[in-house]
Amino acid sequence: KAGVTQTPRYLIKTRGQQVTLSCSPISGHRSVSWYQQTPGQGLQFLFEYFSETQRNKGNFPGRFSGRQFSNSRSEMNVSTLELGDSALYLCASSPGGARSPLHFGNGTRLTVT
Amino acid sequence: KQEVTQIPAALSVPEGENLVLNCSFTDSAIYNLQWFRQDPGKGLTSLLLIQSSQREQTSGRLNASLDKSSGRSTLYIAASQPGDSATYLCAVSQAGGTSYGKLTFGQGTILTVHP
Repeated sequence: KAGVTQTPRYLIKTRGQQVTLSCSPISGHRSVSWYQQTPGQGLQFLFEYFSETQRNKGNFPGRFSGRQFSNSRSEMNVSTLELGDSALYLCASSPGGARSPLHFGNGTRLTVT
Repeated sequence: KQEVTQIPAALSVPEGENLVLNCSFTDSAIYNLQWFRQDPGKGLTSLLLIQSSQREQTSGRLNASLDKSSGRSTLYIAASQPGDSATYLCAVSQAGGTSYGKLTFGQGTILTVHP
């Protein structure tokens, strides 16, 4: 069974630009969550999507947005990039219930210059 | 607001030692607690998931316990090997609502096992 796939693996962008990250969950998984990982703040929850609906959102500015498609694939968009947005962005998928473990992808490393 | 703390922040041991990693959380109203490992530059690998009604879970050389009332979990690694070197993270899923994909993470324990 294929794992969670995130593309691209690395991105370098300039301040002010926007970026879109992609996540393909494990087949059959309907929940996709996004996390930001930085050395200073650790892992922080961005948002969760389930069956194309946003189920929860973390404490991030409106520049961070996401969506989920009918095949459960998800995209995350960051507009007007800031230097502080440089981070490892991780996507996780699960079937969606309270008893299910989360399975993470290898992440997208975003560098903003 | 849930807070998760992991102790120690770093641990260096010789190969073959048994070791314990600690995790504490402030709000005992959780669905489950999950332990992960993360290798440098990689994503998270799920190690063990303990439901709130369970006391422990075992997988190979790993054993995780949960004491929900005191807000504590431990990850026990038996007969450590250099390949166990990684950052170990614990995370809790807060009870209430339906957002099961939202985890609160600790800062991790960096484990180094030297030959």
